[in-house]
Amino acid sequence: KNEVEQSPQNLTAQEGEFITINCSYSVGISALHWLQQHPGGGIVSLFMLSSGKKKHGRLIATINIQEKHSSLHITASHPRDSAVYICARVGSQGNLIFGKGTKLSVKP
Amino acid sequence: KAGVTQTPRYLIKTRGQQVTLSCSPISGHRSVSWYQQTPGQGLQFLFEYFSETQRNKGNFPGRFSGRQFSNSRSEMNVSTLELGDSALYLCASSSAGTGAPYEQYFGPGTRLTVT
Repeated sequence: KNEVEQSPQNLTAQEGEFITINCSYSVGISALHWLQQHPGGGIVSLFMLSSGKKKHGRLIATINIQEKHSSLHITASHPRDSAVYICARVGSQGNLIFGKGTKLSVKP
Repeated sequence: KAGVTQTPRYLIKTRGQQVTLSCSPISGHRSVSWYQQTPGQGLQFLFEYFSETQRNKGNFPGRFSGRQFSNSRSEMNVSTLELGDSALYLCASSSAGTGAPYEQYFGPGTRLTVT
């Protein structure tokens, strides 16, 4: 069983829609990362958060430490948002433990 | 600042051979982590180096090894390649000290194909 679970696995949206990707984990953590991976492989770190909420442009990430749950929201989605979104928790020794990713496709 | 660079970007090797991949972190970053990404297993942590010392290691066989130099550049080596080693190998650097969560900056990856 993966320690970090993401849902949905795949998501197709129309341009302009509000998108939510969920991440849950089974143990207490110090921080959680949201990453974006485009075709070709490059990974970009979107957020690292340990409590509350962070916002960057159209992206919002929230975390509820007590419920062991985090969400990534994309407002006014655009085809360029199409990518795989990965959440990863920080393990006890500082390494990252990854979810399987959510493949997002935004249609024009 | 220049980003994290990895060389080579693509590599084709034959079973039984060995391979060395290189990662140059962002200037000033002392921590370098290596990850393997495959379609079946997703992203998995290989090891982390900090100030030339392996600080943390994932659950991979001893064929996978690494090192870090005094300028923080890191190499990973895979000996006796197997078909299952075909993967995207990513490194990430951070300015982490010890024992704290930290933001990681990823390189573009090296895509290794073993035939």
